[in-house]
Amino acid sequence: NAGVTQTPKFQVLKTGQSMTLQCAQDMNHEYMSWYRQDPGMGLRLIHYSVGAGITDQGEVPNGYNVSRSTTEDFPLRLLSAAPSQTSVYFCASSTGTFGSNQPQHFGDGTRLSIL
Amino acid sequence: AQSVTQPDIHITVSEGASLELRCNYSYGATPYLFWYVQSPGQGLQLLLKYFSGDTLVQGIKGFEAEFKRSQSSFNLRKPSVHWSDAAEYFCAVGAREYGNKLVFGAGTILRVKS
Repeated sequence: NAGVTQTPKFQVLKTGQSMTLQCAQDMNHEYMSWYRQDPGMGLRLIHYSVGAGITDQGEVPNGYNVSRSTTEDFPLRLLSAAPSQTSVYFCASSTGTFGSNQPQHFGDGTRLSIL
Repeated sequence: AQSVTQPDIHITVSEGASLELRCNYSYGATPYLFWYVQSPGQGLQLLLKYFSGDTLVQGIKGFEAEFKRSQSSFNLRKPSVHWSDAAEYFCAVGAREYGNKLVFGAGTILRVKS
């Protein structure tokens, strides 16, 4: 029973490098999202998807791209990493919209440091 | 815009003592309310949720929360804290009127002293 799987768990990048954070869920959830967690700021929504082929921006989308080619996978791409993107990134999925009563299931996070 | 406030950044309680974590929200409509817990190095786990009905909801691990519309609050409580409850707790709010957006509070770190 894997739930939401994020890889890698840790990553260190140099400024300007690109990388993709992977997220996969095996619960057939339509709704998936990416958050970043910074001290004292809670979780902030980066991008989300309501189904395969459909994505939209959250609260802090700049510097990040997403795509949703399958129900299971929702990768997050950093095109040109900046130190301000040092954070812990969480992927979540749910059966309902985020503005609904359905809770989100979270992965264990990816800890990303940009030097 | 919707917002969630958790006034206490840190709270320290003795093991066996009661606990109340505060959450206030600003919404123009009936919200859906959640409490999540995060242990160090882990993702978030749902403790409980409220979306309608009885305003006192029961969750896992002996937690409960009460929705008070007049005070725009959804405080989390536990009658007797265990050392394993030490973690960070997040209140989150969603509403259908605001689309697919879930807003989190900044979190409250709970420390339990023996």
